[in-house]
Order: sequence, then structure tokens, then C-alpha cells
Amino acid sequence: DTEVTQTPKHLVMGMTNKKSLKCEQHMGHRAMYWYKQKAKKPPELMFVYSYEKLSINESVPSRFSPECPNSSLLNLHLHALQPEDSALYLCASSRPTGGKTEGANVLTFGAGSRLTVL
Amino acid sequence: RKEVEQDPGPFNVPEGATVAFNCTYSNSASQSFFWYRQDCRKEPKLLMSVYSSGNEDGRFTAQLNRASQYISLLIRDSKLSDSATYLCVVKGGTGGSYIPTFGRGTSLIVHP
Repeated sequence: DTEVTQTPKHLVMGMTNKKSLKCEQHMGHRAMYWYKQKAKKPPELMFVYSYEKLSINESVPSRFSPECPNSSLLNLHLHALQPEDSALYLCASSRPTGGKTEGANVLTFGAGSRLTVL
Repeated sequence: RKEVEQDPGPFNVPEGATVAFNCTYSNSASQSFFWYRQDCRKEPKLLMSVYSSGNEDGRFTAQLNRASQYISLLIRDSKLSDSATYLCVVKGGTGGSYIPTFGRGTSLIVHP
């Protein structure tokens, strides 16, 4: 069982719908990430939150809106998506230190939310 | 030049074979290195961290060569269950960035 929980596991939505993906972790990690992964490609970073503040936005379109209500929760709000946004959306968490210790900052991933936009 | 490069494969090997993957990285200030394993339609899972001194976990050995800026993963006595995509991840750099950079992954197929 993964220590990062994502819901829903599967989501089908139309281009006019508004939906949200949710992510929760109780490992005390203070960095949380959203990744998007298409088939046969590596995960592509979208957003990073560090201590509940947005620290990285990798030029993601505004139809994706992240939110970090507290240190354990991370949401991704979806609105007016396009069919090409269909992908596996992965949440991950880690300790947000500078990584100066070898092996530090291991990313732990959730099982993902598989999104289909019709 | 991509920041983290891997041969996508696939590497197609028989059970019991030894197989090795390399991953090169461009940022000489990188500080943390990992191998993740990803099964089809599943999330990436940490296989092992990679330490400067090299480290071993059962049939798996990881090594880091900072001078040449590459990491390697050696799998001995391959099992059918080792079939997966192996992702190289590199973190850290100038300013202590903790943002991980993924390679594109190397596909391994172990056949009977």
C-alpha cells in the first residue's frame, strides 16, 4: 500500500466539467508535487509546494489550478480541459531539504489518478 | 543536451541473465541520485538510492561515477518479475534545488 493516497483512481470528464484530484500523505513531508505522465513517457513536473506555498509552476496552463490546504493535502482543480490533457496524474511528496545528504529527498508517489477528457 | 539521459531500450534478456543500465546527467552539481521502477500503468516506486561508494541490495547494484557524470544499475540473475521500466532520477544542483529530474526510462523485458 502506498503512503500517498490519491483519489479518484479514474476520472472521465467532459471539456466543460469542473473536477478535482485529491492527494493526501501523513509522512510529515513538507514538499508535495503534481506530475503528469503520458504513455511511454517519464513523469513531467507540473507544480511543487514547499511548506504549503507554491514554489514551482512549470508553465502549466491555467485550466489546472493547484491548492494546498494544509501540510497533508494537495488538490488539483481541473476546468475546461482538453482531450490532450488525458494522462495519469501523479502526486508525490518528499522532505524539502536541499538534498545535500546522499539519498535524501526520496520521492514517494501515489498510485495516480487516470484522467480521460472526452 | 537533455539533463538526464537514458537508453530507452527495450532490453530483452532471458531469465537468469545479468543486465546493466546507464544514465548520464549534465549538471555536475547534482547531489542525489535514485533508481525508480515503474510497472505498466502503475506509479514509480523507489528501487534504490545511489551512493558515491556504490551500494547493493540483493540482486541489484547501483554505482555513481561523478567524474564521468553517470550512474548505473546492475541486475543479476534476472527474474520475469523484473520486467518494468527503470527510471533514473537526479536531484540537487546549484542553489541546492530539490527538484527531481527524470530520465525517460529504460524498458526491461525478461523472458523465459
